[in-house]
Parts: sequence; structure tokens; C-alpha cells
Amino acid sequence: DGGITQSPKYLFRKEGQNVTLSCEQNLNHDAMYWYRQDPGQGLRLIYYSQIVNDFQKGDIAEGYSVSREKKESFPLTVTSAQKNPTAFYLCASSIERQRTNEKLFFGSGTQLSVL
Amino acid sequence: AQTVTQSQPEMSVQEAETVTLSCTYDTSESDYYLFWYKQPPSRQMILVIRQEAYKQQNATENRFSVNFQKAAKSFSLKISDSQLGDAAMYFCAYRSYTGANSKLTFGKGITLSVRP
Repeated sequence: DGGITQSPKYLFRKEGQNVTLSCEQNLNHDAMYWYRQDPGQGLRLIYYSQIVNDFQKGDIAEGYSVSREKKESFPLTVTSAQKNPTAFYLCASSIERQRTNEKLFFGSGTQLSVL
Repeated sequence: AQTVTQSQPEMSVQEAETVTLSCTYDTSESDYYLFWYKQPPSRQMILVIRQEAYKQQNATENRFSVNFQKAAKSFSLKISDSQLGDAAMYFCAYRSYTGANSKLTFGKGITLSVRP
């Protein structure tokens, strides 16, 4: 079945450590996104990519980095510069510019906590 | 910049009754999509309904319908015959098709509880 796979489901970060969240899709979608969800804050965009080897900062990119070396994969690294990383992270993808079927497909999320 | 506002953090509805969730947005663009997403306790995001700004007719999906008021920049979601499984967080979202900006902007969400 086609879909988006995020791993791990739960992740713990030690002080000063970088951690990487995985996001893989087999939907052949062009665009991929990373959102952060905090209680009472809704979903805030961290980074997005509309094509391989290209990505743009979202609203809260500081302390995060991404890569898009393959169409299927869009990993997110939470660096030690992100001082408040505890949150639920959602990855999403969409067929870019296909208006007749416009929607985002979401993964099941990763809960990141600080030890 | 586009903003999406959901001013009610929580709502409650009796099972089988109707409830309306409010959403307003701010944009200077004319070509865009609006969405309602549902997030149940499993935290999986599920698309409920979408509306294209250039369509005057309000979108409907079974028990879910919208009241899209383009001039007022309002996009409310009506849930008819509420069921226990409708209990979730609901997010309103906006996406522009003007220029190169194609990101989806979400509101802060509303928690809907359904009383049996």
C-alpha cells in the first residue's frame, strides 16, 4: 500500500545531541513537508521541498536542517541549536500543482522528547 | 502573509446533534484552497473536506459541509448528526496557488468533544 512512513514513533534526545527523524513516501509525490505540533499551537511549518535537491525554510526553521537527495525521502535533523525540541513532528507529501486532487498526505508522526 | 484563525479552542456537542466550527483567514490572493483536517487521538491527520476559492458552491462530504463566505474570509465546518467518532481536534488550513508559494498554513485547532 502506498503511504508515508515516519520513524521512529518515539525518540529521545540528550542535551547537545543531534537527532534525525526519518520520512519516506512511496506515493511518487513531488512535494514534502515537515511540521511541528505543540499543544495549543497547531501545526507550524519547519521546512518544505517541492523538488529533489531543493528545499525552503518554513516559519520555524531555526535549529533544524533537512536534505532531499531522493524523491522518496525527506529526513529532518533536529540540531543541538534547537533549544526546545520536545514536540510532535509530522511529515507530509503532496502532488505538486495538481489542483483536481489537491491534498496533503500525512505520516503517523514522531514524538520527540528531551532526556 | 496568510493567517488562519480558529478562535474557539474547545467545543462540545451532543451525539446526533449538529455543530459548527468556525475559521477565518486573511489573504490578499484570489486563487487558493481551504481545508478542514481532523486529528483523532491516534494523532493521524485526516482530510475532512476541501473548498476551492473560485467555486461558489459550498463543498459537502456526507455529514460534513462548509459555509464558505469569500468576501468575509470565513470558512466554517458543519458536522451533522454528530457521532462519538467525530471527537477529535479539527484544523482549518489555507493553501495559495499564486506565485511560487505553495505551503499549507494551519490554524491552531479546535478540540471537539461529543457527549453520548
